[in-house]
This record gives sequence, C-alpha cells and structure tokens, in this order.
Amino acid sequence: SAVISQKPSRDICQRGTSLTIQCQVDSQVTMMFWYRQQPGQSLTLIATANQGSEATYESGFVIDKFPISRPNLTFSTLTVSNMSPEDSSIYLCSVRPQETQYFGPGTRLLVL
Amino acid sequence: TQLLEQSPQFLSIQEGENLTVYCNSSSVFSSLQWYRQEPGEGPVLLVTVVTGGEVKKLKRLTFQFGDARKDSSLHITAAQTGDTGLYLCAGSTSGTYKYIFGTGTRLKVLA
Repeated sequence: SAVISQKPSRDICQRGTSLTIQCQVDSQVTMMFWYRQQPGQSLTLIATANQGSEATYESGFVIDKFPISRPNLTFSTLTVSNMSPEDSSIYLCSVRPQETQYFGPGTRLLVL
Repeated sequence: TQLLEQSPQFLSIQEGENLTVYCNSSSVFSSLQWYRQEPGEGPVLLVTVVTGGEVKKLKRLTFQFGDARKDSSLHITAAQTGDTGLYLCAGSTSGTYKYIFGTGTRLKVLA
C-alpha cells in the first residue's frame, strides 16, 4: 500500500498568483501522477512525473502553466501558475506501486 | 480520444434498494477499475477487472467486465447510506500505464 499526504489541503488565491502543491508518499515509487478534478466532475490526468526526468504532460496541459518537480522517489510538487478562476479545482496526487492506484486527499483550490 | 461514459450521472435511491451503474466505451481496455470517492477525499480503489466476462464480488457490490472489454457494470444490492459517494470507473489500454477516468456517477442513498 501507499499513504499519500498533500499540502496544502485547501487554499484561496487571487488571480495572477501561483500556488505550489506538495505531495509526499510513504514509500519509493517510480511514477507519480497529478490529476485535476473540476467541481462536480471526474478526474483528468495533468502529467506524469518521473524522478530524474521532465514530467510528461497530457494534451491541454503545458509545463509553463503547471511546472512539476520530482526531486526524489517519495516527493513531488505541482505549481499552478498565473492562476485564473478557471483553475479552481481539486488537485490530486497519485501513485501506483503495483496494480493498485492510490490517491492523496487532494488540494482544494479556489481562485478569486 | 478515449472516452468512458458512465450512466446514470446522478442517482438518488432509498436505503435497501438495488442499483446498477454502467461504464461504456468504444475502446478496448486491458484492465478496468472502479473507485468510490467521498467528499474531501481522494478516490479509493474498489476492484480491478482484467478478463472479458469477469465477475467480481465485494460484499454487496458486484462488478462485471464486458466480454469485449469495452464496458463494465457495478451492481449494488440493498444499498446503505454508507454507499453514498461518487463512483468512478477507470480504464487502461494495452501498452500504456495511464488510466482514463469515466464521467462519474454520483450516488445518494437516503435513510
């Protein structure tokens, strides 16, 4: 199993600012996944972060808007840059050490 | 673009009733998972199915993977208020490590 913690759990931000979300896992994992869940909707994969290499972004997501760091096998950060109200979402970190995918509790972001 | 459509989108039922949630796609998946998400938490994995026609049971929950591995269903018998939540299916195609999530079914079970 894997236990994932995220910081902050929630935040209210002003448009034009940036927020960095931290994800900590209690075991070493090769890949970490970042998802966005807009209000009342399902999960959309933003990017996959591997340690020691640049993150792989999904269609519609770019590094300038969502820079990701992966300094070691247990930690990653996702930054939401130059925020607008459309970025208001829950951001979830996830890992899949074997066949089971585990999710963090999410970071609830509101952009005013 | 792969798409996983879930139906119904919303469901409100009385405690003790049965229900079925469907997850459909035009794509073939090598594996399909079902999750439940409660408010303020991340999704929690309920089951993984990998073989066409496979049926798995988890207490009052029965999961089926379609023969062609393009669809799946989740049946809940005698629903309880604790079953309330957002149910998500997620599929992975051969050769990829990524899971595509379904559109979600929000279930509310009333006492």
